[in-house]
Order: sequence, then C-alpha cells, then structure tokens
Amino acid sequence: QQQVKQSPQSLIVQKGGISIINCAYENTAFDYFPWYQQFPGKGPALLIAIRPDVSEKKEGRFTISFNKSAKQFSLHIMDSQPGDSATYFCAASKRNFGNEKLTFGTGTRLTIIP
Amino acid sequence: DSGVTQTPKHLITATGQRVTLRCSPRSGDLSVYWYQQSLDQGLQFLIQYYNGEERAKGNILERFSAQQFPDLHSELNLSSLELGDSALYFCASSVGGSSNQPQHFGDGTRLSIL
Repeated sequence: QQQVKQSPQSLIVQKGGISIINCAYENTAFDYFPWYQQFPGKGPALLIAIRPDVSEKKEGRFTISFNKSAKQFSLHIMDSQPGDSATYFCAASKRNFGNEKLTFGTGTRLTIIP
Repeated sequence: DSGVTQTPKHLITATGQRVTLRCSPRSGDLSVYWYQQSLDQGLQFLIQYYNGEERAKGNILERFSAQQFPDLHSELNLSSLELGDSALYFCASSVGGSSNQPQHFGDGTRLSIL
C-alpha cells in the first residue's frame, strides 16, 4: 500500500535527447510527489514536486507529468546534458496526522552521453 | 547548498561500538528526518522529530535512537553496531510537521563498520 515503483533502474540518453523516468504508486491518499536528484557523495536535492490537483508541472528543462487515474507520474528532462548525469528518485507522501513518511522509489541512474 | 549540516562526513568504527551522528536543520525548519541509504535497500526512512517531539517512526532498529534538542539540532545514536549498519545516513529538514512538504537533505554521514 505504501510502495512507489520506479523504472527504469538505469538509463542512457544522448546529449540533447529527452530522458523519461516513470513511477507508479498504490496509495490513492498520496498527495505530494517530489523528485530528487542525487550526485555521488551528495545528499538528494529536491528537483521538482507536484500535487494531484494538476496534471503537469514544468520548471526549466524538467517536467513532471501526473496521471491520477493511472496512479503514475513521470519526470521528463528535455535537452538532456552531461551535467544531468545523476541518480533520480521519485517519492510520494500524504499529510500525516500520525505515522506517515515520504516513501522513495528505488532510483534511476541516468547517464547522458555526448 | 541545502542549508542542512551533518557531521561527521565519514565515520569508521568496529562492530559492537556506539556512534552519534549530528544534524543541524535549515534555519526556520522545525522538523528533522533521518534516513538510511544502502545499495540494496535504497532510501529508508528511520524517524522524524518535530519541534522536539517524535512525530513519525519508520523501520528503525531498537539499537538506534534519536532526539531533537531545544535548539532544533538532532542526533542519531547507533549502538551495538553490526557490519550491516554500514550505510549512508542522511538528515533532512522541513518547515512543518507533515511529510507531504519539501524536505531538504544534508550531504550525509558515511558510516563504515569494520
């Protein structure tokens, strides 16, 4: 009920291409869906987040697409650059009146090749 | 720079020992979260404190404990260490007490058990 499934595990994209990472969730009570970017030796950094009242959110080259009926959301990185090479994590949570938490996907290692 | 400070960056110790990890949240943030990141388990939520009180608990072992002090910094205590406790330990902070809002991560403490 609390799982967030992320795919693919790893992804190689050419410079200038579009990187797409997908996540699926089960708990329909989730109301907050962030994406984090993590470089080696660093902590996860909040990249972009969406709430289920909108179907898409864009910040620069990064876009979250959200499909509430399918219980899926995805991260699109347009014009992918070598500096985007990192591990990306999706996550989901809901307002906690009790023992709630941010549940993370298993991560996608993205490599952008020249 | 997320504004979350974790010390030490690296810790090497032996089985059976006890260690303390420290976290200073971003200025103004009242919640502190602790996560464990290992290769096979991904990012696992351990525990959350909000304004000095325990707010949410994940799969934290009984050998592990945490607290948040009046100045809002937090410490994670790990005792009777085992080889399997080797991992990255991250602290995150957020403004409020609910997990469905932005969490900002520190750069972690790498714990190695020999």
